[in-house]
Amino acid sequence: DTAVSQTPKYLVTQMGNDKSIKCEQNLGHDTMYWYKQDSKKFLKIMFSYNNKELIINETVPNRFSPKSPDKAHLNLHINSLELGDSAVYFCASSQLYGYTFGSGTRLTVV
Amino acid sequence: QKEVEQNSGPLSVPEGAIASLNCTYSDRGSQSFFWYRQYSGKSPELIMFIYSNGDKEDGRFTAQLNKASQYVSLLIRDSQPSDSATYLCAVKWGNYGGSQGNLIFGKGTKLSVKP
Repeated sequence: DTAVSQTPKYLVTQMGNDKSIKCEQNLGHDTMYWYKQDSKKFLKIMFSYNNKELIINETVPNRFSPKSPDKAHLNLHINSLELGDSAVYFCASSQLYGYTFGSGTRLTVV
Repeated sequence: QKEVEQNSGPLSVPEGAIASLNCTYSDRGSQSFFWYRQYSGKSPELIMFIYSNGDKEDGRFTAQLNKASQYVSLLIRDSQPSDSATYLCAVKWGNYGGSQGNLIFGKGTKLSVKP
């Protein structure tokens, strides 16, 4: 069983489109995160949810919106995609020690 | 601005040698420090965490923390080609509930172990 699963693994889309990335964890963790890893491999936090409440919202464009229907899911919706949004997006969850990352979604905006 | 600094590398060591990876952080109040390994095209995976000054050993890996110098390092003994990856240092920021809080990552050091 995959602990943190993301879909889709690859996403190619045109500028201006709206897309969503889904994330599910079966670890029973309290907190889930979205990270963005750019072409230089820099991993930067975007959002985190603790018990369905947004507790960190870094300075990301408001075109990005996290949605958590329950503790096990944290989806990322992106409006009006731009070329600069191309990156790998990682979902992660944590309880006490260490994050468990999903396998990532490689988003390419053309 | 909370920052975590690492040399980007690449760091190249021969098989069997000790690889030494270094990290400095800006927030003196940071309490928890983590090392992650990321293979190319894969997701980061936790190797070790350390909270107290001094050394912490786990198999071939040793994490070292010096809070006074705001410095954390990872030593890999008997390096193997399979250790070739990018190593990410991360520092915990914030503290809420039972969660790990927000991790700030360095940009990673690419390690290459030559057979």
